Amino acid sequence: SYELNQPPSVSVSPGQTASITCSGDKLGDKYACWYQQKTGQSPVVVIYQDTKRPSGIPERFSGSNSGNTATLTISGTQAMDEADYYCQAWDSSTVVFGGGTKLTVL
Amino acid sequence: EVQLVQSGAEVKKPGESLRISCKGSGYSFTTYWISWVRQMPGKGLEWMGRIDPGDSYTNYSPSFQGHVTISADKSISTAYVQWSSLRASDTAMYYCARLRQGSSSWYYLDYWGQGTLVTVSS
Repeated sequence: SYELNQPPSVSVSPGQTASITCSGDKLGDKYACWYQQKTGQSPVVVIYQDTKRPSGIPERFSGSNSGNTATLTISGTQAMDEADYYCQAWDSSTVVFGGGTKLTVL
Repeated sequence: EVQLVQSGAEVKKPGESLRISCKGSGYSFTTYWISWVRQMPGKGLEWMGRIDPGDSYTNYSPSFQGHVTISADKSISTAYVQWSSLRASDTAMYYCARLRQGSSSWYYLDYWGQGTLVTVSS
């Protein structure tokens, strides 16, 4: 079965740029999306179709996908961005999630 | 406004059966697939499967095939997941979510329910 791998944790200082990676075999040939989940809340999509932001998602969130790696980039990270982030792709008619990355803003 | 409203928290014993629900509103329920996602305590998201409410076609993650059943009643815009015999390891938060898809094979979950906490304990 298809696997997506994420680093368990990423730390960033307020105002700096955070990058969270998601790796999978030929992931660039598929579409990736990203979810943000804050403690005690349901996940929210922040990037879909590799690079698109849903309405209401701040411009500081951006995405890319090439080769074997998709990347979520948060520019000018704010304290409110501290959350778990999950990548997701579609493979063999199934949704596949990455293991999740805990973003700490300190 | 699109909403997915799930049924309330459940406490069950091992071996008992359970069905939890997810009611959609604010959109045409039969136009979008509904997925179910498990999140065990302190763990990540796991996709369980999905249903097309229009024709009740389902497909499951191999990890959940045979242990859960996903169904839908389009007349009341509601999807379900059910267990015939719960295990302690089924203790988790369960989310339903609407699956968006595009012509070029992109898929993502654009609206999520609030989650249903299922606790299985003797």
